[in-house]
Amino acid sequence: LAKTTQPISMDSYEGQEVNITCSHNNIATNDYITWYQQFPSQGPRFIIQGYKTKVTNEVASLFIPADRKSSTLSLPRVSLSDTAVYYCLVGDPNTGGFKTIFGAGTRLFVKA
Amino acid sequence: DTGVSQDPRHKITKRGQNVTFRCDPISEHNRLYWYRQTLGQGPEFLTYFQNEAQLEKSRLLSDRFSAERPKGSFSTLEIQRTEQGDSAMYLCASSSPSSFRGIGGYTFGSGTRLTVV
Repeated sequence: LAKTTQPISMDSYEGQEVNITCSHNNIATNDYITWYQQFPSQGPRFIIQGYKTKVTNEVASLFIPADRKSSTLSLPRVSLSDTAVYYCLVGDPNTGGFKTIFGAGTRLFVKA
Repeated sequence: DTGVSQDPRHKITKRGQNVTFRCDPISEHNRLYWYRQTLGQGPEFLTYFQNEAQLEKSRLLSDRFSAERPKGSFSTLEIQRTEQGDSAMYLCASSSPSSFRGIGGYTFGSGTRLTVV
């Protein structure tokens, strides 16, 4: 299972764009990259998933370079409510990706 | 459908007692997972069901832990002879076979926080 490396914490201000980068040097061919957000006393919430290039949805963008050894979650114009822990996961759920290691995640603090 | 439901939200028990948690997944999801999360750490995989079959178990799931999913619907996680080290948030998640093709990933419940005193 591919392991991931993320910054432990990041600070930002309201209205700024936040980019969180995740390293996954051992990503396998069939692995997808998935990001989750978690607030205190809640379960993680799916944000975005991608395989290569760029994926965008209503809350975030995910940038994946051609070698797929890293990925960047981009949160546009963050607000105080985006203060949370963000997890980067790599795995193929059809062959055991559900055992993917969450790691400690990145704690994002958004300040007013 | 209101998502994945877990009951109870909080449980305080004395060391040595047995506890049981329940998870009700999203109705059309045939896959169900249990995770454990301790303070400051990400969730750790415990076990996985596809329909009623328990297909994977982590080494974290000692013989004091047992999980069931009768009829492929709700699931229960039982911990026997609880220890203080069992104190954690126990998370349940569900997914469908299409969840990992850019559609939705796992859907997690809010968890059951267990405190063993």
